[in-house]
Amino acid sequence: DTEVTQTPKHLVMGMTNKKSLKCEQHMGHRAMYWYKQKAKKPPELMFVYSYEKLSINESVPSRFSPECPNSSLLNLHLHALQPEDSALYLCASSQLGGAHNEQFFGPGTRLTVL
Amino acid sequence: AQSVTQLDSQVPVFEEAPVELRCNYSSSVSVYLFWYVQYPNQGLQLLLKYLSGSTLVESINGFEAEFNKSQTSFHLRKPSVHISDTAEYFCAVSWDTGNQFYFGTGTSLTVIP
Repeated sequence: DTEVTQTPKHLVMGMTNKKSLKCEQHMGHRAMYWYKQKAKKPPELMFVYSYEKLSINESVPSRFSPECPNSSLLNLHLHALQPEDSALYLCASSQLGGAHNEQFFGPGTRLTVL
Repeated sequence: AQSVTQLDSQVPVFEEAPVELRCNYSSSVSVYLFWYVQYPNQGLQLLLKYLSGSTLVESINGFEAEFNKSQTSFHLRKPSVHISDTAEYFCAVSWDTGNQFYFGTGTSLTVIP
């Protein structure tokens, strides 16, 4: 299984809602990532988990809260988002142990904040 | 400073014509280089990568890229494009200092029938 899955595919939420994005991989990867991507722009790194521990937080606002409950799952909890947070949210995973390891991306969750 | 540059934001090309998408990087340490493709409304897929060894790397769908250390480039080429190659292409670089990728700004390839 060389796939990263993400749910839901689409999400519309109001600014007062609480929602969660989910990501799953079964490749045995011990590094997992959240990216935010605006239209026609490259992915922007948000968080990196290594061995289920948060290793990188790229100064992301606290209304985004990541969680890695086990080595296969990665969640992104959303609360009190702003319309400018509307974007494609991509999850990725990779092996640890070297910068040469490619990242495998999921199809993304298209988030719209009203 | 380390950076990745894709000079061409949009590249229109006729079907069956050749194409080259440019990627340059700046780094004082060893790098690993990747090309990812993103089709409309999809995630990123790895197209090809250079880690070490032969400087010319190929993908299964006819793309190739050549690592040029002296020019710090990793340009992507295809001798004859198809309509299905229409997509966004991202060059990415990683350095030995960590697991992070640095993406270029992307090149939108449009193949014209």
